[in-house]
Amino acid sequence: QKEVEQNSGPLSVPEGAIASLNCTYSDRGSQSFFWYRQYSGKSPELIMSIYSNGDKEDGRFTAQLNKASQYVSLLIRDSQPSDSATYLCAVTRGADGLTFGKGTHLIIQP
Amino acid sequence: EAQVTQNPRYLITVTGKKLTVTCSQNMNHEYMSWYRQDPGLGLRQIYYSMNVEVTDKGDVPEGYKVSRKEKRNFPLILESPSPNQTSLYFCASSSGRTVRPQHFGDGTRLSIL
Repeated sequence: QKEVEQNSGPLSVPEGAIASLNCTYSDRGSQSFFWYRQYSGKSPELIMSIYSNGDKEDGRFTAQLNKASQYVSLLIRDSQPSDSATYLCAVTRGADGLTFGKGTHLIIQP
Repeated sequence: EAQVTQNPRYLITVTGKKLTVTCSQNMNHEYMSWYRQDPGLGLRQIYYSMNVEVTDKGDVPEGYKVSRKEKRNFPLILESPSPNQTSLYFCASSSGRTVRPQHFGDGTRLSIL
């Protein structure tokens, strides 16, 4: 049974600070890792993909992957109130299904 | 405009009455999938399809059927709906053979009484 674990939160972060979201996964065969953002009542939106160990940066977002520790994280720099949402971590082996974590509810306090 | 269209957006129905939720994408994507989202359980994959006539079970396929006769359409069929299938359903698609849903539909909220 593949599992993806996230702290459900809420995680409260002051505006302008760095928000750090974490995710662990159980399947060592996982090859691809994704972060989605979901606003309340809306559909998920893909914000980051990462496939190899290390960091990947895209604007204010940085995804970090450590396959040995089976750990994925998402950093949001200069957090804005508009970043308040639920962040979903998802993993896959590749040509199979996608397993999501339950999500972390992030609140950016103005 | 690139989009994934689900219909209906909302449906209240009764146990045992067969229903179909349609999903259509206009991006010529190969990969399509269905998810259900429940409070406390998160987003769970029901079925996915890597191409026409190719479908596979996700984590929670029981009670559901799908078909992929055309590239653009991927309907979700509940042959005999039950109250435990009350949920918010999302269809998604992505290009190529990568399992990386890029485009989600707006969701279908189903209530089975």
